[in-house]
Amino acid sequence: AQSVTQPDIHITVSEGASLELRCNYSYGATPYLFWYVQSPGQGLQLLLKYFSGDTLVQGIKGFEAEFKRSQSSFNLRKPSVHWSDAAEYFCAVEADSWGKLQFGAGTQVVVTP
Amino acid sequence: DAGVIQSPRHEVTEMGQEVTLRCKPISGHDYLFWYRQTMMRGLELLIYFNNNVPIDDSGMPEDRFSAKMPNASFSTLKIQPSEPRDSAVYFCASSLKIDRDGYTFGSGTRLTVV
Repeated sequence: AQSVTQPDIHITVSEGASLELRCNYSYGATPYLFWYVQSPGQGLQLLLKYFSGDTLVQGIKGFEAEFKRSQSSFNLRKPSVHWSDAAEYFCAVEADSWGKLQFGAGTQVVVTP
Repeated sequence: DAGVIQSPRHEVTEMGQEVTLRCKPISGHDYLFWYRQTMMRGLELLIYFNNNVPIDDSGMPEDRFSAKMPNASFSTLKIQPSEPRDSAVYFCASSLKIDRDGYTFGSGTRLTVV
């Protein structure tokens, strides 16, 4: 069965520092991968997605993610975080032919001054 | 488009009462999903529909939960009778599979059962 693992439950980063959030997936075929962000009191918002082609994908809010098939990973990065990036981040993989997404447990990002 | 619209935003009810949560998906989207989010269990998929037909309801916790989608622009999630352990944030999301754009989520309904 498809699964998504986010090893880090909680990350604290200083404003202006770089951020990397890890995501590992288990999937038999070429996966469709997504990153979502959830700000407090809000629904999830799509940051970026990967289907095929260039393994480095750009998203909104200055985020990017790199697909590495050999490592079964799809890590999210941002070169310089802003206080407004404090939120919870979810990695997801398309889990079946119906388009159902399997979400990871999420990583809570705290940004310090 | 106004996005996925959920109502109410907050609901406080007493144990044993019936609760109905509502969702209006994005026009033209052919999939609709109901999720529950809690601190303990994270995001749980409860049920999803394709073209108004339920495809997978294996995530519905028990018979007290039911969901309907009478037409392409409206869905409900009902809990009857409600229990304190049902307290959570319930999200509705919709998608157009052919676009493979992922889901668009509503802002959620925060349910508190006292």
